[in-house]
Amino acid sequence: EAGVTQSPTHLIKTRGQQATLRCSPISGHTSVYWYQQALGLGLQFLLWYDEGEERNRGNFPPRFSGRQFPNYSSELNVNALELEDSALYLCASRGAGTEDQYFGPGTRLTVT
Amino acid sequence: QQQVKQSPQSLIVQKGGIPIINCAYENTAFDYFPWYQQFPGKGPALLIAIRPDVSEKKEGRFTISFNKSAKQFSLHIMDSQPGDSATYFCAATRNFNKFYFGSGTKLNVKP
Repeated sequence: EAGVTQSPTHLIKTRGQQATLRCSPISGHTSVYWYQQALGLGLQFLLWYDEGEERNRGNFPPRFSGRQFPNYSSELNVNALELEDSALYLCASRGAGTEDQYFGPGTRLTVT
Repeated sequence: QQQVKQSPQSLIVQKGGIPIINCAYENTAFDYFPWYQQFPGKGPALLIAIRPDVSEKKEGRFTISFNKSAKQFSLHIMDSQPGDSATYFCAATRNFNKFYFGSGTKLNVKP
């Protein structure tokens, strides 16, 4: 069974640009979580999507947004990029009625 | 306010030792407490998890001890091996609504 996949692996953007990150959950999983992991730090919760709806968001500005598609894949958009947005962005998926979330390998976003 | 506090920040043990990583939480409504292991360049992987109605859970060489009254839980790694060298994160959630992570513990197991 394929795990959670994320694309691209690396993304380099300039300050002020927009970035789009993609996540494909494990087949059958309906929930997708997004996290930001700045270098050497813990994971900060960004967004939770379930069954196509945004269910919760963390303490991040509105320029962090996303969506979940009918096939449960998800997209994270970061507008007006700032230097401090440079981080590893992780996506995790969880099946309905289950407890465990499974992480993808992440997208390394670098803002110059 | 940090919902989950993790310590120590780093830990060095000899092969065969028993590293212990501690976490404390604030919100008594949390109902699920997982631990994750992360290797450099990889996403975190679930190790073991516990519910607050259980005081201890073992899976292989990994054990979670849970103290509900103290609002603390800890991870013990029995017979640690160099391959266990990684960063470990504790987390907590209520109804899987939002996961709060600790700041991580970098473990180095020396041969």
